[in-house]
Amino acid sequence: QVQLVQSGSELKKPGASVKVSCEASGYSFSDHALSWVRQAPGQGLEWMGWINTITGNPTYAQDSTGRFVFSLDTSVRTAYLRISTLKAEDTAVYYCARSSTWYATDFDFWGQGTLVTVSS
Amino acid sequence: EVVMTQSPATLSVSPGERATLSCRASRGLSSNLAWYQQKPGQAPRLLIYGTSTRATGIPARFGGSGSGTEFTLTISSPQSEDFAIYYCQQYTHWPWTFGQGTKVEIK
Repeated sequence: QVQLVQSGSELKKPGASVKVSCEASGYSFSDHALSWVRQAPGQGLEWMGWINTITGNPTYAQDSTGRFVFSLDTSVRTAYLRISTLKAEDTAVYYCARSSTWYATDFDFWGQGTLVTVSS
Repeated sequence: EVVMTQSPATLSVSPGERATLSCRASRGLSSNLAWYQQKPGQAPRLLIYGTSTRATGIPARFGGSGSGTEFTLTISSPQSEDFAIYYCQQYTHWPWTFGQGTKVEIK
């Protein structure tokens, strides 16, 4: 069965970096886009962008600062989200989510989420 | 970006009473509209994609409709497990965006 398993919760200080992983199983990895979606405490969902699992090309919804970086390691069927120069407002649950096609569309399977807490 | 506005923010319904959730887009969409259900402490679950197609395993009591800027999710006879937050998402205009959610609670 399709599974997306994410890495565990993280507690970081402002200015630090964090890398969240999302390991996929149960399907052909390169046939489906992977997106990152974040949810601040008590808030709604925000799509951060997606990564093409064929080419590894990332596309960011909004990030003029370049603090968010999507990457892949296809040998272990894993996608990564790296956030640098963490701020308190980055505190959120971060989800990886699969699309039904190679291109990001709707999201048919989701990881369990990774809570990133930024606090001094 | 396209703003998705969901209404009402909270919908109180009795089990078995029809629930109608609305989602309005700030620009006209094609049929690329999805609905998700999220329960506390869980990841969202895809219910509907392409405006009206139920995802695998989703009960027939969930139905989606709409076009242009107005879309609707209907739960024909809510069961206890359906009380949750529901989000719409458009994937027509870059970047994809979600509504702010409608909480469906037991009256």
